[in-house]
Amino acid sequence: NAGVTQTPKFQVLKTGQSMTLQCAQDMNHEYMSWYRQDPGMGLRLIHYSVGAGITDQGEVPNGYNVSRSTTEDFPLRLLSAAPSQTSVYFCASSRLGSPLHFGNGTRLTVT
Amino acid sequence: AQTVTQSQPEMSVQEAETVTLSCTYDTSESDYYLFWYKQPPSRQMILVIRQEAYKQQNATENRFSVNFQKAAKSFSLKISDSQLGDAAMYFCAYKRNYGGSQGNLIFGKGTKLSVKP
Repeated sequence: NAGVTQTPKFQVLKTGQSMTLQCAQDMNHEYMSWYRQDPGMGLRLIHYSVGAGITDQGEVPNGYNVSRSTTEDFPLRLLSAAPSQTSVYFCASSRLGSPLHFGNGTRLTVT
Repeated sequence: AQTVTQSQPEMSVQEAETVTLSCTYDTSESDYYLFWYKQPPSRQMILVIRQEAYKQQNATENRFSVNFQKAAKSFSLKISDSQLGDAAMYFCAYKRNYGGSQGNLIFGKGTKLSVKP
């Protein structure tokens, strides 16, 4: 099994550009989520989903959109990138009630 | 709202010695899980150990054990016989065990552990 796959691993954007961070899991997990990790801040929840067609906001949702059209995929969209969105992004998935499986992260730099 | 506090930004231990990382949390809920995650320089998030709030017995996984004090809302991680490969950032995390948001983790800010040879 591939587990949780995130692409790309690294990305550099200019302010105002848009992009989508991809996340896919092959474990048929209902729950998927996106976190961002900043130095000295730990990981903070951006958005999450408990099933296809269902999404909700986490602690830091502003500037990000998500959708969940299939169980496997949970893309994170930045519509107009800002320097404050420079961070490492993690996607994670699980069966409800079980521990999270994390992807390997995407390092995003916005200049 | 729930919060998780790790009061030690950095810790250091001699190889083969024992080190304890501290974590406190605040919640009004009774049904929850606590976790310790390890993040080596590779950036991968690795689950080290988990504790269910309703279980009084402290969880152990090989050289890793926890001291779970529910009344004090304390959840420390003890690493015995420290190895060079234990050097990493360690995160304490909390999640409720019910409801639609039960998958959501709340993380502390992390403790960077160095292991000296």
